[in-house]
Amino acid sequence: DIVMTQSPDSLAVSLGERATINCKSGRNLLYRSNNKNYLAWYQQKPGQPPKLLIYWASTRESGVPDRFSGSGSGTDFTLTISSLQAEDVAVYYCQQYYDPPLTFGGGTKVDIK
Amino acid sequence: EVQLVESGGGLVQPGRSLRLSCAVSGFTFDDYGMHWVRQVPGKGLEWVSGITWNSGNIQYADSLKGRFTISRDNAKNSLFLQVDSLRAEDTAFYYCAKGGVASLAGPFDFWGQGTLVTVSS
Repeated sequence: DIVMTQSPDSLAVSLGERATINCKSGRNLLYRSNNKNYLAWYQQKPGQPPKLLIYWASTRESGVPDRFSGSGSGTDFTLTISSLQAEDVAVYYCQQYYDPPLTFGGGTKVDIK
Repeated sequence: EVQLVESGGGLVQPGRSLRLSCAVSGFTFDDYGMHWVRQVPGKGLEWVSGITWNSGNIQYADSLKGRFTISRDNAKNSLFLQVDSLRAEDTAFYYCAKGGVASLAGPFDFWGQGTLVTVSS
């Protein structure tokens, strides 16, 4: 199984400041034939199902604010919230869909400092 | 509007079986792979199983093989999860999720609200 490791487990950031979440995969998620990284990021607010934010490591889902961005390739990935807003308080998960069993990271809780 | 509505959860005794359903609308169901994901309250996400558009490829989490069976009925726009020999550790919210592609190799772009399964005597 591909193990996905997120860091940190939690972080508190001041409103308007940058939040950075890391995700490390136990295997290379870059599929060479199409040059795509099979990595997604989700946001889950309390009492709600997860919501897709980013896929193919860096493609923003329709309707997602541009303060959210994804980067990285291979085994190391990052989700960045450029200017944290109050509504961004949530748990964020990375997920690989390169090879079943599909696996999620453990989650990173983002709060306001 | 894409909608996924899970049903079939509830309180179940250990050792019993349960069949979860997910009714979908707002998209062409048989164009996409579908998945079940579970979440113990207060914990992280665990992928349970996925099924391709034509049921030609079905996969399960390694720890769940043998007790869980995913299926779909494209004529009825419905996804199912049969869970046998329920255990206390199966207590969780079970989410139905739409894949972004026909295979299993795509992100989950829409999710249902989830159905809670509680296994207890």
